[in-house]
Amino acid sequence: DTEVTQTPKHLVMGMTNKKSLKCEQHMGHRAMYWYKQKAKKPPELMFVYSYEKLSINESVPSRFSPECPNSSLLNLHLHALQPEDSALYLCASSQGRMTDTQYFGPGTRLTVL
Amino acid sequence: GESVGLHLPTLSVQEGDNSIINCAYSNSASDYFIWYKQESGKGPQFIIDIRSNMDKRQGQRVTVLLNKTVKHLSLQIAATQPGDSAVYFCAVGNFGNEKLTFGTGTRLTIIP
Repeated sequence: DTEVTQTPKHLVMGMTNKKSLKCEQHMGHRAMYWYKQKAKKPPELMFVYSYEKLSINESVPSRFSPECPNSSLLNLHLHALQPEDSALYLCASSQGRMTDTQYFGPGTRLTVL
Repeated sequence: GESVGLHLPTLSVQEGDNSIINCAYSNSASDYFIWYKQESGKGPQFIIDIRSNMDKRQGQRVTVLLNKTVKHLSLQIAATQPGDSAVYFCAVGNFGNEKLTFGTGTRLTIIP
């Protein structure tokens, strides 16, 4: 099973809302990632969790807050977002290193009004 | 740092023909190279990878070629099918500093 699942598929939120994106994998991977992808652009790395600890934060604004409750789950908590945060948010996982093959989920299409 | 660019933002190929997508990178210390395929509405899907100790690697209908001298890699897709229509990204990494940089992507369209 090489599947990474993400919920919800689509999310529309106002700038004052609080919402969470969820990601799950059951491949026994110990590294999990959040990427942001704008239209016609490559994925941009936001956060990396390695063995359930945050190892990389690519200078992401604090209105995005990641959480890794266990080795299979990754959340992204959203609060006070801006319209320019509208994008496809992708979760990925790999065995343990960024240079191990990363398997991506289908993404959550986020629209901020 | 690393800069990764694809030569063409779009490519149209007749069904059944072979297609070649090219990617250039800047850092000669890069030692890991991956191709991803992203279909509309989906996340990127791993296609094939290659390490710097190899020049060529083949998969099912796909071949990746690496030219370290000119810092260039290519993805060849044989006998293209409608299902090959997608955006293709190369990503370049370094085992030492654990960085992975995605290129800008090439949209491949297969013409029936």
